[in-house]
Amino acid sequence: GNSVTQMEGPVTLSEEAFLTINCTYTATGYPSLFWYVQYPGEGLQLLLKATKADDKGSNKGFEATYRKETTSFHLEKGSVQVSDSAVYFCALISSGTYKYIFGTGTRLKVLA
Amino acid sequence: DSGVTQTPKHLITATGQRVTLRCSPRSGDLSVYWYQQSLDQGLQFLIQYYNGEERAKGNILERFSAQQFPDLHSELNLSSLELGDSALYFCASSATGTGETYGYTFGSGTRLTVV
Repeated sequence: GNSVTQMEGPVTLSEEAFLTINCTYTATGYPSLFWYVQYPGEGLQLLLKATKADDKGSNKGFEATYRKETTSFHLEKGSVQVSDSAVYFCALISSGTYKYIFGTGTRLKVLA
Repeated sequence: DSGVTQTPKHLITATGQRVTLRCSPRSGDLSVYWYQQSLDQGLQFLIQYYNGEERAKGNILERFSAQQFPDLHSELNLSSLELGDSALYFCASSATGTGETYGYTFGSGTRLTVV
């Protein structure tokens, strides 16, 4: 079945450090891939997405590239801020299906 | 404000009781999804409705039920509550039946505490 695997957290970084959160997936066909972010006390917000191989999603300085050959969709940001502290979820949805498969989430803590 | 409204924000109730959680989707969205988020289980998909009809079922217990009304708002009913049902319950909506193109819009959740 379809699945998403994220790196274990928490990830603790200093402000302005480079961020990578790894995400790999298993899916049949050609899924769409997403990153969601959940700030404390809030619901999940769509951060970025990519719907086909080699697409790069980007938003708010975050980027992720859909790599079909390595079945990965790693999240990166060049310089993190304290305000980026949150839980990040990688997710996929296979074409024609009706539910997302979410990863377990990775908590990011950025220290000033 | 994401446009998805969930009420109540917090709910404390006793074991064995029944509660109803309400969700109003973003204007124009036809699909509503319910998710349960707990510390040990992560985000679990419960059920989806599309334009009033049940579209997909996930790990939803028989004690739980949901429906989507003609005005597209949805209710999640939880009965015979147990301590283990304590969790955050999220509603999400999407314009289409799958959310694969534009993603979901999530509400801020209802925190249920069963004591």
